[in-house]
Amino acid sequence: DSGVTQTPKHLITATGQRVTLRCSPRSGDLSVYWYQQSLDQGLQFLIQYYNGEERAKGNILERFSAQQFPDLHSELNLSSLELGDSALYFCASSRDRESGNTIYFGEGSWLTVV
Amino acid sequence: GDSVTQMEGPVTLSEEAFLTINCTYTATGYPSLFWYVQYPGEGLQLLLKATKADDKGSNKGFEATYRKETTSFHLEKGSVQVSDSAVYFCALSLHYPFSGGYNKLIFGAGTRLAVHP
Repeated sequence: DSGVTQTPKHLITATGQRVTLRCSPRSGDLSVYWYQQSLDQGLQFLIQYYNGEERAKGNILERFSAQQFPDLHSELNLSSLELGDSALYFCASSRDRESGNTIYFGEGSWLTVV
Repeated sequence: GDSVTQMEGPVTLSEEAFLTINCTYTATGYPSLFWYVQYPGEGLQLLLKATKADDKGSNKGFEATYRKETTSFHLEKGSVQVSDSAVYFCALSLHYPFSGGYNKLIFGAGTRLAVHP
């Protein structure tokens, strides 16, 4: 158990719908990362937050958005869903106070768009 | 830019064979280096890490040495088991000290390992 909690673990929804994925980082971790893993594209970095502020943005679609709340939990919002958005979405967290801090991953949220 | 390159898979080995998965990196600063493993149907788990040049990370029989001169962090295991079948990801982390400090994490594409009895 990494200490990073993601909900829901599995989600099936229809095209055009909107979903929210939630992540609770390890206690004391300030950074939250979101990744998308699909069968054909490997592990894609989406976005990173540090202590409530966006720090880095990767290949995140405009239909997707994220935020990190004052209690440091984070949510990833996916809207106008398409079949191609079906993937495993990972959240990770790290203390990030110094170089070399380990990044811990949650077990992921499986999203299936039908 | 900063990047990680891993050998392409799949890598197929017989049980008890020697494993090497190559990983090289490009970074503007002094990164920390990681290997993560993803077993079928599971999330990513940290396998080992090294935070400075010449450090050796080790865990579960796996080893990797941070080679600054060759910008490499190759993963090795002397005798693989069927249970080692998984996808292995090499990653680097760069620290940015401003605004309280945070790390940027970059992954390689992953290498699938299949071990047969």
